[in-house]
Amino acid sequence: SQKIEQNSEALNIQEGKTATLTCNYTNYSPAYLQWYRQDPGRGPVFLLLIRENEKEKRKERLKVTFDTTLKQSLFHITASQPADSATYLCALGGYGGSQGNLIFGKGTKLSVKP
Amino acid sequence: DTAVSQTPKYLVTQMGNDKSIKCEQNLGHDTMYWYKQDSKKFLKIMFSYNNKELIINETVPNRFSPKSPDKAHLNLHINSLELGDSAVYFCASSARDRGHGYTFGSGTRLTVV
Repeated sequence: SQKIEQNSEALNIQEGKTATLTCNYTNYSPAYLQWYRQDPGRGPVFLLLIRENEKEKRKERLKVTFDTTLKQSLFHITASQPADSATYLCALGGYGGSQGNLIFGKGTKLSVKP
Repeated sequence: DTAVSQTPKYLVTQMGNDKSIKCEQNLGHDTMYWYKQDSKKFLKIMFSYNNKELIINETVPNRFSPKSPDKAHLNLHINSLELGDSAVYFCASSARDRGHGYTFGSGTRLTVV
């Protein structure tokens, strides 16, 4: 069955450092991968999308990589700030039918200490 | 202006009751979804719906049914509520083309007692 793993349930880093979150998947060939941020008591908020034919995407302090050979995506937040503290979810989507719907990982809770 | 709004935000009800959660989006999106987030924070797709097809996750009990009066609304009806239905339910919407980000509502916390 399809499986998505976000390797760390929690990640603690110091302000100013780069946070790197990992998303691995098996038994799946997604057409694209997305990253979301979720704050307590709120719904997930879309951050970035990367397609299967793209290696890297950037948006301000965020960078996402997608390696379809390794079946892995890395999500980086550079110059991290306490306001970046949240749970980050990766999500995979494919072609047609139910595979067109996003499947989410369990998330990694990031804490950025001042 | 709230893009995807759900009501109610909190819902406490007894086992066996029937309840509904409403969802509305003002983004002009043509596909809407319901997700369930359990106590372990795992988000699972329940339904996706546009004006052409309803896709149901096969693990969803038939006590759950989506109802869409128009493109901007997708309500969730739950019959004969069970303790295990307690969770946070999120509505979301997206544009037609696959690969667009989803816009989520703020969730409805359902507690069945």
